[in-house]
Amino acid sequence: AQSVSQHNHHVILSEAASLELGCNYSYGGTVNLFWYVQYPGQHLQLLLKYFSGDPLVKGIKGFEAEFIKSKFSFNLRKPSVQWSDTAEYFCAVTNTGGFKTIFGAGTRLFVKA
Amino acid sequence: KAGVTQTPRYLIKTRGQQVTLSCSPISGHRSVSWYQQTPGQGLQFLFEYFSETQRNKGNFPGRFSGRQFSNSRSEMNVSTLELGDSALYLCASSTHFSSGNTIYFGEGSWLTVV
Repeated sequence: AQSVSQHNHHVILSEAASLELGCNYSYGGTVNLFWYVQYPGQHLQLLLKYFSGDPLVKGIKGFEAEFIKSKFSFNLRKPSVQWSDTAEYFCAVTNTGGFKTIFGAGTRLFVKA
Repeated sequence: KAGVTQTPRYLIKTRGQQVTLSCSPISGHRSVSWYQQTPGQGLQFLFEYFSETQRNKGNFPGRFSGRQFSNSRSEMNVSTLELGDSALYLCASSTHFSSGNTIYFGEGSWLTVV
């Protein structure tokens, strides 16, 4: 069955620190990958997505993610976090023809000012 | 363009009751998905509808059901509520669900079962 694993449930960083959130999925076919973010009190919104082509994708607010097919991974990175990045981050995968997007359990990031 | 609208935003129900949640997708979006969000569990897929047809269903008991109307609006129903059904229920829409299409979320309906 299709699944998404996020390695860290809680991450605490100081401002200006670098961020990497791990995401692995299990599905052997063609997939599309997403990172969504949920800021406190707000609804989920798309950070970035990968469909095809360059495995390094850039999203909003300086985030990027790299798709490594051989590792079934899609890790999210940001070189320097800000206090405003405090939020919950969800990795998600959609397989072709499946008509559903599967989400990981989420990673709560807290950035100390 | 208005976003995904969910009603009601907050509700409290008693065990054994039933509840109906409503979702209006973004104009022009014909695919609607429902998710249950609980702390530590992330988002669990409930079902997806397109043109009034359920195309996929998650691993939830039959107490959870849904439907979609001709105007793409959708409802989900939970019967015989249990305490464990307390969660944030999210609706998401997309133009047509195919790989690669972004889904857009509403703010959710907070359900508390007491």
